[in-house]
Amino acid sequence: AQRVTQPEKLLSVFKGAPVELKCNYSYSGSPELFWYVQYSRQRLQLLLRHISRESIKGFTADLNKGETSFHLKKPFAQEEDSAMYYCALSPFSGGYNKLIFGAGTRLAVHP
Amino acid sequence: GAVVSQHPSWVICKSGTSVKIECRSLDFQATTMFWYRQFPKKSLMLMATSNEGSKATYEQGVEKDKFLINHASLTLSTLTVTSAHPEDSSFYICSARRGFSGNTIYFGEGSWLTVV
Repeated sequence: AQRVTQPEKLLSVFKGAPVELKCNYSYSGSPELFWYVQYSRQRLQLLLRHISRESIKGFTADLNKGETSFHLKKPFAQEEDSAMYYCALSPFSGGYNKLIFGAGTRLAVHP
Repeated sequence: GAVVSQHPSWVICKSGTSVKIECRSLDFQATTMFWYRQFPKKSLMLMATSNEGSKATYEQGVEKDKFLINHASLTLSTLTVTSAHPEDSSFYICSARRGFSGNTIYFGEGSWLTVV
């Protein structure tokens, strides 16, 4: 079964602290993994995808196939990072790029 | 950047009536659109994949006769909730894939449906 698990509903940190939002997935094939972000009162938008291997707004995520994880990290959190973060999986076999979302983690960065 | 727009942003309807939500790709052609449902403080649940010119592919457990999806053009997909009930009240979000391949997906702003 295809499943994305984000174990933390809320992650609360102070500005400047490191952040790690956890994501584990379950899929028999080789999926593509994404992180989406939803700021307050805004639509869902792509933050990064594992095949790009890029850093966006200081965030990085490495796909660990052995641990089936795709944790999102940032060394120094900023207040503007406060948002809802969703980890998502797209099965290659789908062909239509449907996304399976995790439950989401709310990141709250305090001054 | 690419824009996906949903209309209406919110709607209230009476039980038993039908309500239509539109999803438009404003500046690109979308051969495939997706419809999601999100309950408060819950994740997005994929309801169906909408392909231009063909029948939608529904996820397991989603009633296709209740949630009618039409993708008549490359820029428009519609979701019609038929014979609405209060339990259909939710936040409905569409997304559109730009182009014929790849994973560039753009999301609409969502539509709040309240059935009274």
